[in-house]
Amino acid sequence: GAVVSQHPSWVICKSGTSVKIECRSLDFQATTMFWYRQFPKQSLMLMATSNEGSKATYEQGVEKDKFLINHASLTLSTLTVTSAHPEDSSFYICSAPLGEGLKISFGTDTQYFGPGTRLTVL
Amino acid sequence: GNSVTQMEGPVTLSEEAFLTINCTYTATGYPSLFWYVQYPGEGLQLLLKATKADDKGSNKGFEATYRKETTSFHLEKGSVQVSDSAVYFCALTPFSGGYNKLIFGAGTRLAVHP
Repeated sequence: GAVVSQHPSWVICKSGTSVKIECRSLDFQATTMFWYRQFPKQSLMLMATSNEGSKATYEQGVEKDKFLINHASLTLSTLTVTSAHPEDSSFYICSAPLGEGLKISFGTDTQYFGPGTRLTVL
Repeated sequence: GNSVTQMEGPVTLSEEAFLTINCTYTATGYPSLFWYVQYPGEGLQLLLKATKADDKGSNKGFEATYRKETTSFHLEKGSVQVSDSAVYFCALTPFSGGYNKLIFGAGTRLAVHP
């Protein structure tokens, strides 16, 4: 069945460095992917919508220059946390709606989530 | 605006007990409603969904009915198992089809003991 993968599953970095997280859709193509952030024992907060071939759409309060999103292909979106600081430590999760055809985005209600990436900034 | 409110956890039950996790929502338009489950160490999985009023979503013994009049989507299961221990998230998309932004509730942790 459809699967979304993320890499790496966990990463530890020093303050001031940049970290790239990959999100891949397996078995299907996704013109849209979503990036969420989850703090310990809290809910998921949508950070941005990644759009293949165009700029990402960021939610209010999310710094687009800090969280760079690139939807490089129909199966890959990347989130780069630039100049990371300890407060950026969190669990980052991506998702993709199922059923999007090649370069055709139609709405479906079912999203598949990646397993998440735990970022720890020292 | 759009928001989801669900009961605070943790919910602790004995095996074979009846489960209810309350969820209410605020939305403009006609949202689709979802329950997602997050097992320890795993990613979120869709448990069930309903896309219009009075629809009942069901899966793995869990059920939830889309109640427009009370803006609710409570999750129920008649007899829980230890393997149901997880965090359950109620969520909505602002409208069916089209843009698929998911808005989540805070999550409710369920612990089932033998």
